[in-house]
Amino acid sequence: EDKVVQSPLSLVVHEGDTVTLNCSYEVTNFRSLLWYKQEKKAPTFLFMLTSSGIEKKSGRLSSILDKKELFSILNITATQTGDSAVYLCAVLGGNYGQNFVFGPGTRLSVLP
Amino acid sequence: GAVVSQHPSWVICKSGTSVKIECRSLDFQATTMFWYRQFPKQSLMLMATSNEGSKATYEQGVEKDKFLINHASLTLSTLTVTSAHPEDSSFYICSARATRFEAFFGQGTRLTVV
Repeated sequence: EDKVVQSPLSLVVHEGDTVTLNCSYEVTNFRSLLWYKQEKKAPTFLFMLTSSGIEKKSGRLSSILDKKELFSILNITATQTGDSAVYLCAVLGGNYGQNFVFGPGTRLSVLP
Repeated sequence: GAVVSQHPSWVICKSGTSVKIECRSLDFQATTMFWYRQFPKQSLMLMATSNEGSKATYEQGVEKDKFLINHASLTLSTLTVTSAHPEDSSFYICSARATRFEAFFGQGTRLTVV
């Protein structure tokens, strides 16, 4: 069965800290891995990764994929209270590469 | 990123009535759209995959007669919750597949059945 595992499930840090969120997967017919940020409403897109070893960066956020070891990390440097959210990892794959399999999410709380 | 519009963002309805939720891709064509349900503090639960011009594929345990999905065009999919009951109250989210590798979410619809 296809699955995506995220760790930690919950994390509390202080402003200015750097955090690393982990996502590992076992998904057939892998197409891509996506990171989303979910605050109070629907998830917003952060990154899409398809190739190993190529870092994607957007401001204080960065992410990288290792297709050999089947995992990805999402880094957030100099965290701010506005980074508090649930971070979801999803893998596109499965039957005909059509299914998005979501992890349970990591709930990040950044304290002032 | 591409824009997906979901409407309404919230709705309250009486038990026994039906509610329709729309999901539109505004600046791209989406051959595939996904409908999710999310309970408080839980991850997204895929309900069904909707392909334009064909019947939706429902996940195990999801009643297709209760959650009617219509993907009428390349930019519009609808989810109708029929004969809604309080236990159907939830946050429903659609996403549209923009390319071979990525999908974008609508804003979500919070349904409350009273």
